[in-house]
Amino acid sequence: DAGITQSPRHKVTETGTPVTLRCHQTENHRYMYWYRQDPGHGLRLIHYSYGVKDTDKGEVSDGYSVSRSKTEDFLLTLESATSSQTSVYFCAISVVPRLAGRTDTQYFGPGTRLTVL
Amino acid sequence: GENVGLHLPTLSVQEGDNSIINCAYSNSASDYFIWYKQESGKGPQFIIDIRSNMDKRQGQRVTVLLNKTVKHLSLQIAATQPGDSAVYFCAENAGAGSYQLTFGKGTKLSVIP
Repeated sequence: DAGITQSPRHKVTETGTPVTLRCHQTENHRYMYWYRQDPGHGLRLIHYSYGVKDTDKGEVSDGYSVSRSKTEDFLLTLESATSSQTSVYFCAISVVPRLAGRTDTQYFGPGTRLTVL
Repeated sequence: GENVGLHLPTLSVQEGDNSIINCAYSNSASDYFIWYKQESGKGPQFIIDIRSNMDKRQGQRVTVLLNKTVKHLSLQIAATQPGDSAVYFCAENAGAGSYQLTFGKGTKLSVIP
């Protein structure tokens, strides 16, 4: 599991409420990612981080924000949850390779199932 | 997640037979490819990867083949076991050195005991 935990593992919330999901890693990996997974779609990137306080948007970032104040924690926030954000959310990490310019493998956490009513 | 297998192409294989799962990719600039396995209710699990300077790579009971000419990737599982039942999907990078991956929708493998 590459030392990745996600919390909570399950959450049910109501439309319009704020929600924060947490990803925690124990191995000081520099790169962290948030994805959502929905039936009929592959994993889609929401946001990613390449270091403390360094983040960037992914393919489906609207309605989401992230923060990374420590290497080990990457938080995903839904400021005002909508039913379209019902999904399974996965955090992933990758290790920056020693050789520059080489994509590295991403390893995933166990996921958080979020239901917005 | 639990619903990841819905609406996916399914491959049914007899236990002990070999399985071949295919993936077409679209970006000719991609130079890194990964196969993942995802069991119900769990996160994707890395199986094997391959870089574009290779055509074939073998792991334990798994082999990945890359055909850059037709942009095709395949995963072969030897002597398929019930524990291999899962959704398998491929991923490609967005180009040389990119840290971002694009994921396929996946194929559901069902192993018949």
